[in-house]
Amino acid sequence: SLELTQALSVSVALGQTASITCEENNIGSKNVHWYQQKPGQAPVLVIYRNNNRPSGIPERFSGSNSGNTATLTLNRAQAGDEADYSCQVWDSNTGWVFGGGTKLTVL
Amino acid sequence: EVQLLESGGGLVQPGGSLRLSCAASGFSFSNSAMSWVRQAPGKGLEWVSAISRSGDDPHYADSVKGRFTLSRDNSRNTMYLQMNSLRAEDTALYYCAKEVLVVVKTATTIYLDSWGQGTLVIVSS
Repeated sequence: SLELTQALSVSVALGQTASITCEENNIGSKNVHWYQQKPGQAPVLVIYRNNNRPSGIPERFSGSNSGNTATLTLNRAQAGDEADYSCQVWDSNTGWVFGGGTKLTVL
Repeated sequence: EVQLLESGGGLVQPGGSLRLSCAASGFSFSNSAMSWVRQAPGKGLEWVSAISRSGDDPHYADSVKGRFTLSRDNSRNTMYLQMNSLRAEDTALYYCAKEVLVVVKTATTIYLDSWGQGTLVIVSS
């Protein structure tokens, strides 16, 4: 069955670039979506269909997906970007699947 | 503005029942498939159940199949999750979310573009 693997935590220096990955065999053949969840808040969609930003999401957020790894990239990281980030895929066999989430810390 | 408001959570004993509601506004509810996603304390997101626009053929995660029943009332813009035979491992914050279905050529994907603030379910004696 489909399982999305994410690192538990990622750290990035203020103003630098953070990369958060989501791994699964041949994930590049699927559409990956990313959610941001700040402490005590509901998840917010930040990237859909691999590399599309919903309205209101800063251009600093971008996504890519190839091979066995999908990546959420956050440029010029800010303190306000500290959050949990989760990837998600929908598969006709497995249905709705989330990764375990990655906690982003901005140093 | 899309608004999703969950209610019905609370403290229940193991084996008990609860019914969660999700009241929707700001979009065409009858034209949107919907999902429930839960998050146990300190854990990641787990999809629970989804229902089509018409309410036919809801889908369930294996962890809740046979115990939870999802339905909707498009005349009331509301979705309901009936939860029976509750277990300690069902303790979580339950979110309702609006689905977006995209079909490109033969590829289908679904993502969740709007979420409520959640309702807390605690299963404990």
